[in-house]
Amino acid sequence: DVKVTQSSRYLVKRTGEKVFLECVQDMDHENMFWYRQDPGLGLRLIYFSYDVKMKEKGDIPEGYSVSREKKERFSLILESASTNQTSMYLCASGTTGRYNEQFFGPGTRLTVL
Amino acid sequence: DAKTTQPPSMDCAEGRAANLPCNHSTISGNEYVYWYRQIHSQGPQYIIHGLKNNETNEMASLIITEDRKSSTLILPHATLRDTAVYYCIAVSGTYKYIFGTGTRLKVLA
Repeated sequence: DVKVTQSSRYLVKRTGEKVFLECVQDMDHENMFWYRQDPGLGLRLIYFSYDVKMKEKGDIPEGYSVSREKKERFSLILESASTNQTSMYLCASGTTGRYNEQFFGPGTRLTVL
Repeated sequence: DAKTTQPPSMDCAEGRAANLPCNHSTISGNEYVYWYRQIHSQGPQYIIHGLKNNETNEMASLIITEDRKSSTLILPHATLRDTAVYYCIAVSGTYKYIFGTGTRLKVLA
C-alpha cells in the first residue's frame, strides 16, 4: 500500500515563528503536493513538485516556500507564521502519466497563536 | 481544468444505494473525472475515475453521461462508514486538481 506520512498530526506555533511541515512517501512517486483545507473553501493547492529540486506554485503560494532535496520527501515552510495560516495542511503524492491518482497523508492541523 | 459543481449535502438510508451527482459542463475532451472522499479528520481517499465509459470497482460505480457534462457516483449499498465528504474533480494531464467543496453524505441507520 502507498503510504504518505506527515511529521505531525497537530502543531501549535506562535506568530512569527518559522514552521517546517514534513511529508514522506514510500512509493517512488515523481509528484508531490501541498494543500491547505479550510471550512467552506475546500482544498487549495499551495505548491507542487514534479521532480527533485523542482517546484511550481499552486493557487495560494504567498507566505509559503517548499523544498524537495530527495524524491521521497517534500517540505512546506512557513517563513514567518501568521494567524491566517492556521489550517489543516495535507500532503499528497502521485505518478506522472495517464492516471493522475493522488495519495494523501493524514494531514497536519496547524494552529498559529 | 474544468470546474465541478455538487450539491452541498445528501442523506441516504443504510443499505440503500447512494447516488451522488456532479456537474462538469465545461469539461474538455482530455479531462478525466475523478472521485475522492474524505472521512472526518483524514486525508482524501481515491474512489474511482473515468473518461467517457462507465466504470466500476470494488468501492463504487461511475456513470458518465454521453456528452460528459455530468456524472454520478453510485455507492451500491451504503454503510455508516460511507459517511464522508465526496469530491468530484476534473483532471487533465497537468495533474493539477481543483477541489470544490464537495457533497457531505450522511448515511442514516
